Amino acid sequence: QKEVEQNSGPLSVPEGAIASLNCTYSDRGSQSFFWYRQYSGKSPELIMFIYSNGDKEDGRFTAQLNKASQYVSLLIRDSQPSDSATYLCAVLEAPGGGADGLTFGKGTHLIIQP
Amino acid sequence: DAMVIQNPRYQVTQFGKPVTLSCSQTLNHNVMYWYQQKSSQAPKLLFHYYDKDFNNEADTPDNFQSRRPNTSFCFLDIRSPGLGDAAMYLCATSRDWGNQPQHFGDGTRLSIL
Repeated sequence: QKEVEQNSGPLSVPEGAIASLNCTYSDRGSQSFFWYRQYSGKSPELIMFIYSNGDKEDGRFTAQLNKASQYVSLLIRDSQPSDSATYLCAVLEAPGGGADGLTFGKGTHLIIQP
Repeated sequence: DAMVIQNPRYQVTQFGKPVTLSCSQTLNHNVMYWYQQKSSQAPKLLFHYYDKDFNNEADTPDNFQSRRPNTSFCFLDIRSPGLGDAAMYLCATSRDWGNQPQHFGDGTRLSIL
């Protein structure tokens, strides 16, 4: 059973600070890693994806991947109140390894305090 | 804008009365997915299509069926909805297999009376 673990939170961060969201996964064969943002009652929105070890930056967002530790994180710099949402970590296993759907964590509820 | 469109946004049905949810896409993506998301839970994959090849998750109840008559459309049929089937149903697409991001529609929130 593939598992993706996230701290459910809530994680409370002051406006303008860095929010750090973490995720661990159980399937060592996983190859692709995605962060989705989900506002209450809405569908998930893709924020970042990362395939290789290291950091990937896109605007205020940085995804970090460490395959040896089976750990992926998302940093949000200069946090804004509009960043308040649930952040879902999702993992895709290696092609040909079975289902091609994403395995999601339960999400971390992030609150940015003005 | 190219989109993944789900209809209806909200669906109410009676216990045991069949219901169909629809999804269309203008992205011309090969793969389409259906996920179920219950309150405060992670989305859970029900099935997916690569073109017309259907892939069913092992633990998807038999009560759930899907159809993909063409590249653009995909339907989720729930033959006899139970109270436990109340959830948000999410359709997603990706261009191809493998390392391809999945893009979600706005979802259909299903309520069972």
